[in-house]
Amino acid sequence: TQLLEQSPQFLSIQEGENLTVYCNSSSVFSSLQWYRQEPGEGPVLLVTVVTGGEVKKLKRLTFQFGDARKDSSLHITAAQPGDTGLYLCAGARGAQKLVFGQGTRLTINP
Amino acid sequence: EPEVTQTPSHQVTQMGQEVILRCVPISNHLYFYWYRQILGQKVEFLVSFYNNEISEKSEIFDDQFSVERPDGSNFTLKIRSTKLEDSAMYFCASTRTGINQPQHFGDGTRLSIL
Repeated sequence: TQLLEQSPQFLSIQEGENLTVYCNSSSVFSSLQWYRQEPGEGPVLLVTVVTGGEVKKLKRLTFQFGDARKDSSLHITAAQPGDTGLYLCAGARGAQKLVFGQGTRLTINP
Repeated sequence: EPEVTQTPSHQVTQMGQEVILRCVPISNHLYFYWYRQILGQKVEFLVSFYNNEISEKSEIFDDQFSVERPDGSNFTLKIRSTKLEDSAMYFCASTRTGINQPQHFGDGTRLSIL
């Protein structure tokens, strides 16, 4: 059974601080996707990482795929209240199903 | 930007009744998926569909569930005889080539079984 463990599950920080969310597995994935989900809506894709060691940046968000393609991290610099939300990582193997982590609920306090 | 659309947004059904959830994937996408999310829990895979047949299904996807692509645009999930524990958000997703391509999700159907 493939599992993705996200940590922390909840994070509340002040505006302007930096944070990192982790996504770990004992399984190898061919790609890993990060989504953001708002209440009552579907997951919205932020980024896909495919190559081991790959780093992608999306404004203040930096995503990294581990060298062994078993783990990933999301780092947010100078967090803003608009970053508040549920962040999900999901691993894929080829064209098969996505395996989701349980999510990190992030709150940025003004 | 093209998006996956799902209808209805909310479905309330009596236990034991059949329900059909509808999805219109992004038009040039070839791989289609259904996921569900029980309140407060992880998003869970149900089934994947390619070339008019199921390519993979989870343990959740038992004989009460079926999927169909009745025409060139719709992708449906049918639950034959609903149970209380089927209450969840159901998400449809699609991707163009499947291999390492991101899955794009609809906004879901909230299914409430009474």
